[in-house]
Amino acid sequence: DAKTTQPPSMDCAEGRAANLPCNHSTISGNEYVYWYRQIHSQGPQYIIHGLKNNETNEMASLIITEDRKSSTLILPHATLRDTAVYYCIVRVWGSSGDKLTFGTGTRLAVRP
Amino acid sequence: DAGITQSPRYKITETGRQVTLMCHQTWSHSYMFWYRQDLGHGLRLIYYSAAADITDKGEVPDGYVVSRSKTENFPLTLESATRSQTSVYFCASRATGTSGYNEQFFGPGTRLTVL
Repeated sequence: DAKTTQPPSMDCAEGRAANLPCNHSTISGNEYVYWYRQIHSQGPQYIIHGLKNNETNEMASLIITEDRKSSTLILPHATLRDTAVYYCIVRVWGSSGDKLTFGTGTRLAVRP
Repeated sequence: DAGITQSPRYKITETGRQVTLMCHQTWSHSYMFWYRQDLGHGLRLIYYSAAADITDKGEVPDGYVVSRSKTENFPLTLESATRSQTSVYFCASRATGTSGYNEQFFGPGTRLTVL
């Protein structure tokens, strides 16, 4: 699996967009980018995934660069409840039971 | 209750004792997973199961045993607990399907302390 690099921490003001970057320069053509988040003391929660096109759902948007070597998760209007650790994971979809390898992620603090 | 549950939520035990952590899901998901999370680290996969009676090792399986006699249950046993197994344990499940990505749903976690 491709290795991912994320900043250890970020912060943003409540109501503003939070843009969380992820580098995955060794990603291969059949690997997807997944984002999960973990709110304090809870189990991780799926946010979004994508292959090469930008994706949007009710929680967030995912922007993947054309060369697929990096991506950005966008929370359009961050709230205090978005304070969490965000994990960027690169994985071949459906292989080996879809085992996920979590790094240390980015700790996002949303300020009032 | 619908969803995925873990029990106990908190457990304190002593070195050398056997401990079993329970995981139960009500969705009839085929896949189930056990992860551990140590302070300041991400989650690491211990074992996973693709279906009843099918299990396989993850990244850190040593010292753990799993079984899956029923689809909805996936217990994790520490046969002889060690201090290094002090951690938060998360169970997860996901459906099998080809219509889209099937996300993993995580339980609330079990905080285990081995003295």
